[in-house]
Amino acid sequence: EAQVTQNPRYLITVTGKKLTVTCSQNMNHEYMSWYRQDPGLGLRQIYYSMNVEVTDKGDVPEGYKVSRKEKRNFPLILESPSPNQTSLYFCASSLLGRGANVLTFGAGSRLTVL
Amino acid sequence: GDSVTQMEGPVTLSEEAFLTINCTYTATGYPSLFWYVQYPGEGLQLLLKATKADDKGSNKGFEATYRKETTSFHLEKGSVQVSDSAVYFCALDAGGTSYGKLTFGQGTILTVHP
Repeated sequence: EAQVTQNPRYLITVTGKKLTVTCSQNMNHEYMSWYRQDPGLGLRQIYYSMNVEVTDKGDVPEGYKVSRKEKRNFPLILESPSPNQTSLYFCASSLLGRGANVLTFGAGSRLTVL
Repeated sequence: GDSVTQMEGPVTLSEEAFLTINCTYTATGYPSLFWYVQYPGEGLQLLLKATKADDKGSNKGFEATYRKETTSFHLEKGSVQVSDSAVYFCALDAGGTSYGKLTFGQGTILTVHP
């Protein structure tokens, strides 16, 4: 089944404790991206990657890092989490090409930072 | 910059009622437009899309027409069901140097009662 898999789905952590949210896709997509979803704000892009070893900032990159060492994986790293990073996170992927960019989303990772 | 504005929610309807969720956008050029749906506990999934002016996207009884003159992409369904209860997001892909980024509206919660 074609899918984007995120882990963990739920996490409660404390301020300053480094964490990684993994994301993997099995569709051979070049493009991958991370979004965060907050009430009343919709989804906002954190980082994106056009292909292996190619990453760039989205609209809200502060406090986050990413890497793209393999085509299928795109982990999101919070080096020193803070309470304002409490949110619902989505990883997404797509084939970039002509026409509209249709994203396939993971199920989401709900992060709480105390 | 690019932006999407959706009607304020939540929206509560009885089964078989008519649904309209308004969406307007601001973008330079000719964006592609999307409606995504998020069912409880799941990631977003594409509901429909339109890539140029006057295109009509449709799926599962939902429709939306790309209106360039009014910069709108309103979602409609003639007869809603309880199973349509979800959060609906309007989004645009501005193309060009946006590198596949989707800009989302804030989301509209739809609840359908039997």
